[in-house]
Amino acid sequence: DTAVSQTPKYLVTQMGNDKSIKCEQNLGHDTMYWYKQDSKKFLKIMFSYNNKELIINETVPNRFSPKSPDKAHLNLHINSLELGDSAVYFCASEGLAGDNEQFFGPGTRLTVL
Amino acid sequence: SQQGEEDPQALSIQEGENATMNCSYKTSINNLQWYRQNSGRGLVHLILIRSNEREKHSGRLRVTLDTSKKSSSLLITASRAADTASYFCATDGTGGGADGLTFGKGTHLIIQP
Repeated sequence: DTAVSQTPKYLVTQMGNDKSIKCEQNLGHDTMYWYKQDSKKFLKIMFSYNNKELIINETVPNRFSPKSPDKAHLNLHINSLELGDSAVYFCASEGLAGDNEQFFGPGTRLTVL
Repeated sequence: SQQGEEDPQALSIQEGENATMNCSYKTSINNLQWYRQNSGRGLVHLILIRSNEREKHSGRLRVTLDTSKKSSSLLITASRAADTASYFCATDGTGGGADGLTFGKGTHLIIQP
């Protein structure tokens, strides 16, 4: 069984559209994250979320919003997509925030045309 | 926020040789982690070293941490073709809460057969 899964794996869409990426973890972890990896492979935290708080990186545009229907899921919604949003987005989960390894999903490659 | 910097950016060695990658960071940490990313794939956790540890081993991996110099090194001994990947260091800061990891820019390692 895949520990952290993301769908879709690839997403190609037009500028201005609204899209969502789904993430699920079956590890029973309390904390989940979204990272963005740009074309130079630089990874940057976007959001972290546990059942108590959402921490947002202040550089993330408010067009991006995480939604967590339950502890096992943290979906990423993106409104009014822009060319610069093209990147690979990774979901990750962690058992105890700040003290353990993170388990990463396989990534979603988003291409905005 | 702090940012790790890996050195070198790219490294090409012969199979069987040892590979050493370095990482520097800027602020206080709880722990430092190393991840591997194969081309087009997600990140895989390799090893975690806590701020009160100086050296850690796992199989062919050896990690050192010097908190006075804010630096770490990852040594892969007896390299194999399958070790070809990008390697990232990531720091977990002392800010508390689920604020995610801060990643360096990565070292792309190529093992020549």
